[in-house]
Amino acid sequence: DQQVKQNSPSLSVQEGRISILNCDYTNSMFDYFLWYKKYPAEGPTFLISISSIKDKNEDGRFTVFLNKSAKHLSLHIVPSQPGDSAVYFCAFGNEKLTFGTGTRLTIIP
Amino acid sequence: DTAVSQTPKYLVTQMGNDKSIKCEQNLGHDTMYWYKQDSKKFLKIMFSYNNKELIINETVPNRFSPKSPDKAHLNLHINSLELGDSAVYFCASSPTQRGNTGELFFGEGSRLTVL
Repeated sequence: DQQVKQNSPSLSVQEGRISILNCDYTNSMFDYFLWYKKYPAEGPTFLISISSIKDKNEDGRFTVFLNKSAKHLSLHIVPSQPGDSAVYFCAFGNEKLTFGTGTRLTIIP
Repeated sequence: DTAVSQTPKYLVTQMGNDKSIKCEQNLGHDTMYWYKQDSKKFLKIMFSYNNKELIINETVPNRFSPKSPDKAHLNLHINSLELGDSAVYFCASSPTQRGNTGELFFGEGSRLTVL
C-alpha cells in the first residue's frame, strides 16, 4: 500500500537549468508535505515544506507546489547547482512521516 | 556538535545474534523515532517515542525492542537477527509530536549487515 510515489528514480539536469522533482500521493488526510535531501552516508535533511492549506511555498532557489485535486507535489530548483546533486525524498504526514522512494538528482556542470 | 548521533555507523553480524544501536539527540526534542531504509530504498517508520512513552509501533516484529531511558536517548535492540534485517536504520527526532510541521532531524544512519 504505497501511499507515496516518486516515479522517476533518477534525473539529470544541466547546471543553471531548472530541476523539477515530482511526487504523487493517495491519502488526502495529510497536514504537511515535505521535501528532504540526502547525501550518501548521511541522514536525510529537511529542505522545504508546505501546509495542506497552501499551494505554493518558496525558499530561495527552492519552490514547492501542491496540487491537491491531482494529489501531486513537486519541487522546483532554479538555478540548479552541482551541490544540489543528491537523493530527494518527498514525505507526507501528521504525527508520522510517510516517505517516497526518492529521486536521485544529478546536476551536470 | 552532532544534533542526532547514532552508534555504531556500521554493524556486520551473523544470523541469530542480538545487537543494539544507540541514538542520542542534543536538540532538546520531545519525540524520537526509528526508521528503516531497506534494499528498495523505502524509508519506513518503525517506532516513535514521546517523552519516553511509546507512541507509534508500526507492525514491527517483537524481535525489535526500542528502549528510551530518557527523552534524549532512544536505543534499538534486535534479537535473533535475520537476513531480512539487513538495512540502514535511521534515528530521528522532532520538537513535538503534534502540531509541528513534520520536520524531522535525522542521524547519519547505522548500516546493519546480517550474514
